[in-house]
Amino acid sequence: DAGVTQSPTHLIKTRGQHVTLRCSPISGHKSVSWYQQVLGQGPQFIFQYYEKEERGRGNFPDRFSARQFPNYSSELNVNALLLGDSALYLCASSLGIYSGGEQYFGPGTRLTVT
Amino acid sequence: AQTVTQSQPEMSVQEAETVTLSCTYDTSENNYYLFWYKQPPSRQMILVIRQEAYKQQNATENRFSVNFQKAAKSFSLKISDSQLGDTAMYFCAFVIQGAQKLVFGQGTRLTINP
Repeated sequence: DAGVTQSPTHLIKTRGQHVTLRCSPISGHKSVSWYQQVLGQGPQFIFQYYEKEERGRGNFPDRFSARQFPNYSSELNVNALLLGDSALYLCASSLGIYSGGEQYFGPGTRLTVT
Repeated sequence: AQTVTQSQPEMSVQEAETVTLSCTYDTSENNYYLFWYKQPPSRQMILVIRQEAYKQQNATENRFSVNFQKAAKSFSLKISDSQLGDTAMYFCAFVIQGAQKLVFGQGTRLTINP
């Protein structure tokens, strides 16, 4: 079975632009979480979506938004990009809403803002 | 506040040696799960080992084992018979029972030398 997939792999954007990142969970998984990993740091939780509803939100500004589709795939949107948004964005999927931490990560999207 | 501290930014050992990575955490909750994740240069976050806080017995997965001291809020990872493929960033993390947000440490960069 395919693991968590993310697209694109790499992305370069200019300050002020908007970006959309995509994630497809493992087949049968209904929960998707997004994490931001700045270079040299551990991942920081951004959002969790389960059954198309937001179930958790980290300490990120309203420029960050996300949604989940009926097939459980998800998009992360970031508006008005800042240099500090440059990071690896990780998507993780799990079977249920609370999975005892059994989250499976994708390879990430490397976003560079210039 | 929920935090994870990894006090060793970098470690380096020879192949076949045993190495221990340190982790301490802080939470007021009593029920939670602890994890060690491995992130090689490929960026894929891979679960190494998982420990339920209510279990006193330390988790073991082949060459990987943990020393879980709940009262001290300590969760170290021991890698026995280290291999070149163990070279990676290692992250300690936990999640509260009934939540999905993983809280990560800053990571330890482990290099296994031939």
